[in-house]
Amino acid sequence: DIQMTQSPSSLSASVGDRVTITCRASQSISRNLNWYQQKSGKAPKVLIYAASSLQSGVPSRFSGSGSGTDFTLTINSLQPEDFATYYCQHSYSTVWAFGQGTKVEIK
Amino acid sequence: EVQLVESGGGLVQPGGSLRLSCAASGFTFSDYYMEWVRQAPGKGLEWVGRIRNKARSYTTEYAASVKGRFTISRDDSKNSLYLQMNSLETEDTAVYYCARLLTDKVNTLSYYYMDVWGKGTTVTVSS
Repeated sequence: DIQMTQSPSSLSASVGDRVTITCRASQSISRNLNWYQQKSGKAPKVLIYAASSLQSGVPSRFSGSGSGTDFTLTINSLQPEDFATYYCQHSYSTVWAFGQGTKVEIK
Repeated sequence: EVQLVESGGGLVQPGGSLRLSCAASGFTFSDYYMEWVRQAPGKGLEWVGRIRNKARSYTTEYAASVKGRFTISRDDSKNSLYLQMNSLETEDTAVYYCARLLTDKVNTLSYYYMDVWGKGTTVTVSS
């Protein structure tokens, strides 16, 4: 099965910062990579699908890039409501997997 | 309003069984593949499994950690999704979410992601 590895596991940032989270797949997954945001006690919410397509209603400060095995989620000008945990997830094969998550905390 | 509502969680002893339900509304449930995802306390998200629609013969897929113990089913006449969990282990303690699988085309290729989620139901496996 394909394994997903995110880095870092956590980070501290200030409002207005640019934040970058990386995700690596154990084999090539083309562009079959999604990003989700989860706030404490809430269900996940999709931000990005197909590596770089912004889900309807998601602010344009969120962007995704990458293909093959290496992917990036970037948050430009971090806002107070962006402090959350972010997960990558592949949809390449019939069995899916998430990364372990990256917690974005307030510095 | 598109909505998913899970129910059926609770406390069960190791080795026991539990059946979770997910009630869908606001969309044509029968058209969609549906997923189950879980999250153990303080841990990350874990994909549990999928059931396809009638056009794909209601076929299912499971994570290795639950294969042979969990069964996903659906009743399109009731707009409902189910997760039958047998031989439960303490490691199955988690919040269980159901989610809708959406397909979108980007540059002629199809991509899949979970666009609607329920709020989750909590399963605790403990003696």
